[in-house]
Amino acid sequence: AQKVTQAQTEISVVEKEDVTLDCVYETRDTTYYLFWYKQPPSGELVFLIRRNSFDEQNEISGRYSWNFQKSTSSFNFTITASQVVDSAVYFCALKKSSGDKLTFGTGTRLAVRP
Amino acid sequence: ETGVTQTPRHLVMGMTNKKSLKCEQHLGHNAMYWYKQSAKKPLELMFVYSLEERVENNSVPSRFSPECPNSSHLFLHLHTLQPEDSALYLCASSQGRVSSLNTEAFFGQGTRLTVV
Repeated sequence: AQKVTQAQTEISVVEKEDVTLDCVYETRDTTYYLFWYKQPPSGELVFLIRRNSFDEQNEISGRYSWNFQKSTSSFNFTITASQVVDSAVYFCALKKSSGDKLTFGTGTRLAVRP
Repeated sequence: ETGVTQTPRHLVMGMTNKKSLKCEQHLGHNAMYWYKQSAKKPLELMFVYSLEERVENNSVPSRFSPECPNSSHLFLHLHTLQPEDSALYLCASSQGRVSSLNTEAFFGQGTRLTVV
């Protein structure tokens, strides 16, 4: 069975602070894919990143960076110099190598205060 | 306007009512999905349609009935729901199925359903 745990239910930071959202996953598959989605107040899920299990290289995209560590089954997401527009619920998800099903975590609500 | 549009945005229905949720995608995608988002629970994939055929049904109760008349439209017909079915229902689409991993799913803004 697959499972994604986002232990941080809510995080509140002041603008310009850095913040890291944790994601820990469980799977018996050797090939799998990890995702991060952002859900702003408007409701839609916005795709942020997809990473396969064979690629442990960290990725940076602007203020966003992701740290994938297979040894600890974690795929953490860091926002540098946070902004109010970053306020949203962030979901980590896991997918097997086959099939369409994404297993989502329960999400972390991030509030960035001015 | 987002690429995936869901109507209505909010719906309140009684347990004996019949209603339908509508999803329309303007992205030329050929796969569509229904997800359920309940409070404090992970998103759950309900149905997958590829080329207008249902290819996945994740043990969803029969009181939820999907319909995909063409590649741009997806419906979720609801009847005799229970209060625990109250949730945000999200529609998504992708070019090719997510299982191909060459694509991502684009989500609509959801329909907030309350069953009373």
